Amino acid sequence: ETGVTQTPRHLVMGMTNKKSLKCEQHLGHNAMYWYKQSAKKPLELMFVYSLEERVENNSVPSRFSPECPNSSHLFLHLHTLQPEDSALYLCASSQEGWGQGQETQYFGPGTRLLVL
Amino acid sequence: AQKVTQAQTEISVVEKEDVTLDCVYETRDTTYYLFWYKQPPSGELVFLIRRNSFDEQNEISGRYSWNFQKSTSSFNFTITASQVVDSAVYFCALAKDTGRRALTFGSGTRLQVQP
Repeated sequence: ETGVTQTPRHLVMGMTNKKSLKCEQHLGHNAMYWYKQSAKKPLELMFVYSLEERVENNSVPSRFSPECPNSSHLFLHLHTLQPEDSALYLCASSQEGWGQGQETQYFGPGTRLLVL
Repeated sequence: AQKVTQAQTEISVVEKEDVTLDCVYETRDTTYYLFWYKQPPSGELVFLIRRNSFDEQNEISGRYSWNFQKSTSSFNFTITASQVVDSAVYFCALAKDTGRRALTFGSGTRLQVQP
C-alpha cells in the first residue's frame, strides 16, 4: 500500500448506528487531518492531529469523535449521526517541520457516507 | 479571514483545446501558500502544485502551467492541449505560513473534456 488509504470507501448507516472510519498513511508523515466534503459546501477541516495530539477541532459536533493511536493511523468514530452528515469524508497527512511553512497535505480517496 | 474564489463552476472544452481555470484569493497574511488539487470521479484529491507567496515565477509541468500574480491575488491554472483524462474537479487552496494548518479551499471548477 502506498500513500493514504481509507476504509471503508462507502458506508450507509442509520441514525442510531455506531461506525468508524479508518485512515492509514504510508508516507511517514507526522500530521493527519479529517476533512468533510458535502454537496453544498466547500471542503472543510474537521480535525488536525500533530504527533498524535489533537491540535485543532473546528467546532465539530460531538457525534464525531476522532482518535489517533499513532502517527500512521487516524479514526473517525461516528454515532447518532444526522442525514445532513452525509458527505465524503477525506483524510489527509503531511510532514510538519520547523520553519518550513505549510507543508503539502496528501489526501486519501475518501469514505462516502450516507446517513438514512 | 482567508477566502478563495473559483468563479467558474463548470467548464466544458473539446479535446486538444487549451483551458484556464481561475483562482482569486484573499488573505491578510504577508506570507502564505497556494495549492492546486485535482479531484477525479474516484474522489481522491490529487496534489498538483504548491507555491509560496515569495515565489512569483510561473511554473510549467508538462501540459500544466500556473500563473501566480500577487498584484491581482490570482493563481491561475492552464491546461494545454486538454485530454479526456483531465476531466475532474479542480480545487485551488490557500494556507497560512504558520499557525493554523487548515487549507482554505475554493468551491472548485468542474472541467469536462469532450472527445
